Amino acid sequence: EVQLVESGGSLVQPGGSLKLSCVASGFTFSNYWMDWVRQTPGKSLEWIGEINTDGSKTNYAPSIKDRFTISRDNAKSTLYLQMSNVKSDDTAIYYCEGMGFAYWGQGTLVTVSS
Amino acid sequence: DVVLTQTPSILSATIGQSVSISCRSSQSLLDSDGNTYLYWFLQRPGQSPQRLIYLVSNLGSGVPNRFSGSGSGTDFTLKISGVEAEDLGVYYCMQATHAPYTFGAGTKLELK
Repeated sequence: EVQLVESGGSLVQPGGSLKLSCVASGFTFSNYWMDWVRQTPGKSLEWIGEINTDGSKTNYAPSIKDRFTISRDNAKSTLYLQMSNVKSDDTAIYYCEGMGFAYWGQGTLVTVSS
Repeated sequence: DVVLTQTPSILSATIGQSVSISCRSSQSLLDSDGNTYLYWFLQRPGQSPQRLIYLVSNLGSGVPNRFSGSGSGTDFTLKISGVEAEDLGVYYCMQATHAPYTFGAGTKLELK
């Protein structure tokens, strides 16, 4: 069974940093591009970015570029999202997804507030 | 960025009724590789999004065949042939042809 489990969400102050993790199981993680998507309270979904299979290529949404970094550790089947200089607009549930958006994690909540 | 406009924003239906949701793109979603990266998702209350349709018209694994997708270029449609109670929630279209990938604002399907 394919599973994606996010963790690391918490309350963080504006300007602070946070690192999210997504542990994958049930499929060959190293064979698939992976994405992060977020959902702000009561609003639609926003694609954050993606990473290729070996971690050598990433693409980001303009809204988070230069503040967020996506990386992966294929040996640990884990996807990461390093968030820095966070703003109140970054408050959201963060989902990892894979295999062509076929599988999503349960999400982890990030709240940016002083 | 590509803008996806979904209509209607709210859809009221009775069980067994057939309904359609429209998704219009601000530019063609036909990729240079010949594929059209248009997806449909359902998000039930309190759950993560679930992929229903990929590449315009391909049914996701385990998705009931009362769901169907169609369209090309800039106009796409999701049809539910006989709404069931488990279909209630918010439907989103998404494009992954042009970065940054973008989602529609959503269509809430509720019981009439």
